[in-house]
Amino acid sequence: GENVEQHPSTLSVQEGDSAVIKCTYSDSASNYFPWYKQELGKGPQLIIDIRSNVGEKKDQRIAVTLNKTAKHFSLHITETQPEDSAVYFCAPGNYGQNFVFGPGTRLSVLP
Amino acid sequence: ETGVTQTPRHLVMGMTNKKSLKCEQHLGHNAMYWYKQSAKKPLELMFVYSLEERVENNSVPSRFSPECPNSSHLFLHLHTLQPEDSALYLCASSPRTGANMNTEAFFGQGTRLTVV
Repeated sequence: GENVEQHPSTLSVQEGDSAVIKCTYSDSASNYFPWYKQELGKGPQLIIDIRSNVGEKKDQRIAVTLNKTAKHFSLHITETQPEDSAVYFCAPGNYGQNFVFGPGTRLSVLP
Repeated sequence: ETGVTQTPRHLVMGMTNKKSLKCEQHLGHNAMYWYKQSAKKPLELMFVYSLEERVENNSVPSRFSPECPNSSHLFLHLHTLQPEDSALYLCASSPRTGANMNTEAFFGQGTRLTVV
């Protein structure tokens, strides 16, 4: 099965700074790479995803980059805001397989 | 609002009680999932239903019993639980349109369960 790790497990940044969270996985057949955000009292929600035929994808302040050779992908958040404070999960997967979530990274954006 | 609704939001039950968690989605998805989220642990996949058939049961104790009467509803029946079963139970749904591609999972807000 897929082994998924995230680094760091906690991250504190000053408002306006950038944050980067890295996800490593073990299954070289993985071809779908999403990031979810979980705010307090809510379930996780997809914020960005990428498929294996693309190396980078950007959506306003967030971006995801993929290195399939090294089996890792990263979430980049620029110009962080207090509302970005949450737990972030990666969930790399393969066609038709179930979602396997990483352990999560708690991001705190300090005003 | 993600389109996946879970009830109740909070539940306190004794170890000898029987209770049920309910999940409902009207997104037209054909796969539904139960996850357990404990403090400082990854999201643990418990059960998967695809087209109303259980396709995965991840070695979950028999005191948890899922039911999927139709593609829009999913239940988790609980009986004789232990204090270590206290957690946030999350339901999710996805299109799961076959082997063509993975897609987004839509989560409910969860039921916070406390076993006393």
